[in-house]
Amino acid sequence: GAVVSQHPSWVICKSGTSVKIECRSLDFQATTMFWYRQFPKQSLMLMATSNEGSKATYEQGVEKDKFLINHASLTLSTLTVTSAHPEDSSFYICSAPSHGGSSYEQYFGPGTRLTVT
Amino acid sequence: SQQGEEDPQALSIQEGENATMNCSYKTSINNLQWYRQNSGRGLVHLILIRSNEREKHSGRLRVTLDTSKKSSSLLITASRAADTASYFCATPRRGNNRLAFGKGNQVVVIP
Repeated sequence: GAVVSQHPSWVICKSGTSVKIECRSLDFQATTMFWYRQFPKQSLMLMATSNEGSKATYEQGVEKDKFLINHASLTLSTLTVTSAHPEDSSFYICSAPSHGGSSYEQYFGPGTRLTVT
Repeated sequence: SQQGEEDPQALSIQEGENATMNCSYKTSINNLQWYRQNSGRGLVHLILIRSNEREKHSGRLRVTLDTSKKSSSLLITASRAADTASYFCATPRRGNNRLAFGKGNQVVVIP
């Protein structure tokens, strides 16, 4: 199956700093990628849809100026958490659809554990 | 309303037993998917069932879909310790390819 990687797998940063998380599709092209966050023992919450070559689409309640998304190539999307605060500590997961933009299954990255101190 | 909202369950079963978990959703769908998540990891796609299908098998997995009741079930037969994970159902949101995930079912298989 298709492989999606994330980097870093975990990161600890100080409050007020910015953190960039990368999501790569390793063996397929992804014009669309999705970013989720997940709190302990909870489900995934979709944050935004990353679109190659255009602006990301953010879900209601997600601050686009705080969670900057860039999808500069067909295999890479980045999520930057700006001015991170302890409440931003979470598990961030990206995914990419298996068939371009259709409603098929998605391939998920292994996730990035962000801890803001 | 949240799609793909399964009944919250935490199952603890013995190895070799079957595990069943349910999912309900609110609106019409064209497919429903089940994913597995091992602790602290990403999700792995297990199976997709289309709206015109009632039952689907994949190895030890059996998924049913009842569109009249807007519900689905996932059965894992002859469970193994390696099946210990959280299981989520997900449905596509109308008009786009974003997935809405349910709350998840935590399954613990005791060796």
